[in-house]
Amino acid sequence: NAGVTQTPKFRILKIGQSMTLQCAQDMNHNYMYWYRQDPGMGLKLIYYSVGAGITDKGEVPNGYNVSRSTTEDFPLRLELAAPSQTSVYFCASSTQGLSDTQYFGPGTRLTVL
Amino acid sequence: AQSVTQPDIHITVSEGASLELRCNYSYGATPYLFWYVQSPGQGLQLLLKYFSGDTLVQGIKGFEAEFKRSQSSFNLRKPSVHWSDAAEYFCAARAGGSQGNLIFGKGTKLSVKP
Repeated sequence: NAGVTQTPKFRILKIGQSMTLQCAQDMNHNYMYWYRQDPGMGLKLIYYSVGAGITDKGEVPNGYNVSRSTTEDFPLRLELAAPSQTSVYFCASSTQGLSDTQYFGPGTRLTVL
Repeated sequence: AQSVTQPDIHITVSEGASLELRCNYSYGATPYLFWYVQSPGQGLQLLLKYFSGDTLVQGIKGFEAEFKRSQSSFNLRKPSVHWSDAAEYFCAARAGGSQGNLIFGKGTKLSVKP
């Protein structure tokens, strides 16, 4: 049982490039989330999903897109990378809603230059 | 606006000493409250949570937190700190009974002196 896995661990992008951050969970959780963590700040919710085919915006969705075609996977897409998207990105999952315990992946550290 | 405040950015305690990390929230009604710990280079791990009932909540790793409605606080405590407790601690809250987002505080970094 690997829990929540994220790839890659680190990535450097140039301005305007695109990339997809991968997230997978093997706990059969319905809910999945993407957060970003900026230095000295708490986590902010980017997008979340309550099940396959259903996604919704969080607090800071601009510049990102998500899809959820399976229960296990919840990729986060950056279409036109900007320096403001330099951050650490965490994926999480939970059995039920936002009150439930969320299990976090190890994070992806992204730098946009 | 809903918010979570952790007044202390960085705290240093000696190993074996007691610990209290402060958390205050601003919500219209009592929110669901959480404490998470983040070790260096790791994701967040839930320490404990409070929804209702007994205001003293026990968590993992010997941590506890007390909900005080009158002070809008949910402070985290540990009677005797171990070197392995050095990490960053985040308080979080969300509105009860709805699909409101989790709102995180900015975190408190804990250093432990030998």
